[in-house]
Amino acid sequence: ETGVTQTPRHLVMGMTNKKSLKCEQHLGHNAMYWYKQSAKKPLELMFVYNFKEQTENNSVPSRFSPECPNSSHLFLHLHTLQPEDSALYLCASSRGLAGKYEQFFGPGTRLTVL
Amino acid sequence: QQQVKQSPQSLIVQKGGISIINCAYENTAFDYFPWYQQFPGKGPALLIAIRPDVSEKKEGRFTISFNKSAKQFSLHIMDSQPGDSATYFCAASTETSGSRLTFGEGTQLTVNP
Repeated sequence: ETGVTQTPRHLVMGMTNKKSLKCEQHLGHNAMYWYKQSAKKPLELMFVYNFKEQTENNSVPSRFSPECPNSSHLFLHLHTLQPEDSALYLCASSRGLAGKYEQFFGPGTRLTVL
Repeated sequence: QQQVKQSPQSLIVQKGGISIINCAYENTAFDYFPWYQQFPGKGPALLIAIRPDVSEKKEGRFTISFNKSAKQFSLHIMDSQPGDSATYFCAASTETSGSRLTFGEGTQLTVNP
């Protein structure tokens, strides 16, 4: 595997379910990100981790819970979601935190909340 | 202050034509302006980026034009090809903001054969 991988690619869940999204980067990067992509809206940064430590939480509801056990893996735990949470969830990584470092994105997980 | 406005929302161009996508920003502290390209089923990928010390950057058929005084930058795709059909996002950030990239709303480009 190369680059940034995400699993599952598609997920349908009910509002009472608990599920997790997984992201893995094979680039040796130190920073990892979760974004939410909704139709016709800018990408929304959700969380940022640098060397496994959370550096940013962009006022994300607590029903989204990130976990970063090491610099290569990032999880997004989901519970009691709402239909408006349906979106494409993108993971990204970069060598460091700064605008100059290119962010590499995974293919995303298409989430549908029923 | 942090927004990046992108237009048009969608664009249809004939093969061989020029595609132009525009972005405007408010925050004068922005000093890095990348463009990302996203194909269906894929995540965005960096296409080309510019810093405000130059007014233009060209890579192959892709050119960024930057107007610092107007706080605008644009992507020009010369000799557009059907394979260029994708969604394009402009973005902006500052060194001091660290990781935060502020994205535009995206432009869905369709290049007809």
